[in-house]
Amino acid sequence: SQQGEEDPQALSIQEGENATMNCSYKTSINNLQWYRQNSGRGLVHLILIRSNEREKHSGRLRVTLDTSKKSSSLLITASRAADTASYFCAFMDTGRRALTFGSGTRLQVQP
Amino acid sequence: GAVVSQHPSRVICKSGTSVKIECRSLDFQATTMFWYRQFPKQSLMLMATSNEGSKATYEQGVEKDKFLINHASLTLSTLTVTSAHPEDSSFYICSARGVPEQYFGPGTRLTVT
Repeated sequence: SQQGEEDPQALSIQEGENATMNCSYKTSINNLQWYRQNSGRGLVHLILIRSNEREKHSGRLRVTLDTSKKSSSLLITASRAADTASYFCAFMDTGRRALTFGSGTRLQVQP
Repeated sequence: GAVVSQHPSRVICKSGTSVKIECRSLDFQATTMFWYRQFPKQSLMLMATSNEGSKATYEQGVEKDKFLINHASLTLSTLTVTSAHPEDSSFYICSARGVPEQYFGPGTRLTVT
């Protein structure tokens, strides 16, 4: 399967700043999702955006999707130390049944 | 939301032995479950798709005779790592297909010594 690419690979910011991560993929998708993973732990589902949506908000999270560019971005506003984690995009290819994950962004929020 | 459990959460085994990991959907039935593997500081890679009552579908490069998958009921899938080697040490995460999401288990940390 074609894994998604995320950038940056790692991001370090100060508390209160915004964090933006980008995801690119190569296939046609039904939807794109973002997950958070704390070190050594399981996944936490953050948000799902469907292929016919362009932007979605959930609390301090804002996700955009541009299917013409095959890219998505996750913006975390007013970051907190507790946001420190790895963030993965995941997408459902139209021809597959399982989620394919991006390469991930490691976010470090300094208190 | 739907809950998926995994057991055990951590397991240490010796080289050459086999270890079984269970994945259960606790409050919904899942005809399809997925097994992922995650090496340190890497992303999740799909290993196989588990279908209730039929054979699993393995991703390219995953040895089906080494990673045995059984999906005998609508709420349980098992992954058995046979003749484990140190390079099989990894974080194994199962997932059950729901609507509209896939629901993920908390993962199993396998260490092969």
